[in-house]
Amino acid sequence: DIQMTQSPSSLSASVGDRVTITCRASQGIGNDLDWYQQKPGKAPERLIYAASSLQSGVPSRFSGSGSGTEFTLTINSLQPEDFATYYCLQHNRYPFTFGPGTKVDIK
Amino acid sequence: QVQLVQSGAEVKKPGSSVKVSCKASGGSLSTYAISWVRQAPGQGLEWVGGIIPIFDTPNYAQNFQGRVTITTDESTTTGYMQLSSLRSEDTAVYYCARLDPTYSGYDYWGQGTLVTVSS
Repeated sequence: DIQMTQSPSSLSASVGDRVTITCRASQGIGNDLDWYQQKPGKAPERLIYAASSLQSGVPSRFSGSGSGTEFTLTINSLQPEDFATYYCLQHNRYPFTFGPGTKVDIK
Repeated sequence: QVQLVQSGAEVKKPGSSVKVSCKASGGSLSTYAISWVRQAPGQGLEWVGGIIPIFDTPNYAQNFQGRVTITTDESTTTGYMQLSSLRSEDTAVYYCARLDPTYSGYDYWGQGTLVTVSS
């Protein structure tokens, strides 16, 4: 199975900050990677698909980059509604696997 | 607009089975492939298994092999996940999600079903 790691596991940031989260795959997955946001008690929502494409309706302050084994989610100018947990998902090979998550909270 | 509506919360005894449903509207299940993801209390997302669209067969995570069965009923556009030999560690919210037919990954999610395993 492909193992996914994320760093950091948590971070504290202020409104207006730029935040970067990294996801690494144990083997190359091309660009078969999504980023999801999850708020407490809610289902995850996709932010980024195919590593760098913005999901319809998602604010442009979210962006993704990377390919192969290393990927990045960037949030420019963090907003109050962005405080949540973020997960990456590889869908290059079955079984699909999620990263362990990065919790973004208020400094 | 696709909507996935899941069945209600369940409380089960250890050793029993649970079957969770996921009804799709706004499209045909035959067009989509449904997967299941679970989240134990305070934990991250865990992929349970899903239907591989090209082959229309299920694939399961190793952790659930032999205990989980994922099926679809296209006549009612409903997907199902059955988990057997339940143990306390299976207490979690179970989500269904639609596999994006163009880019893969999951673009629509159900609201989640809490399964509690307790004696």
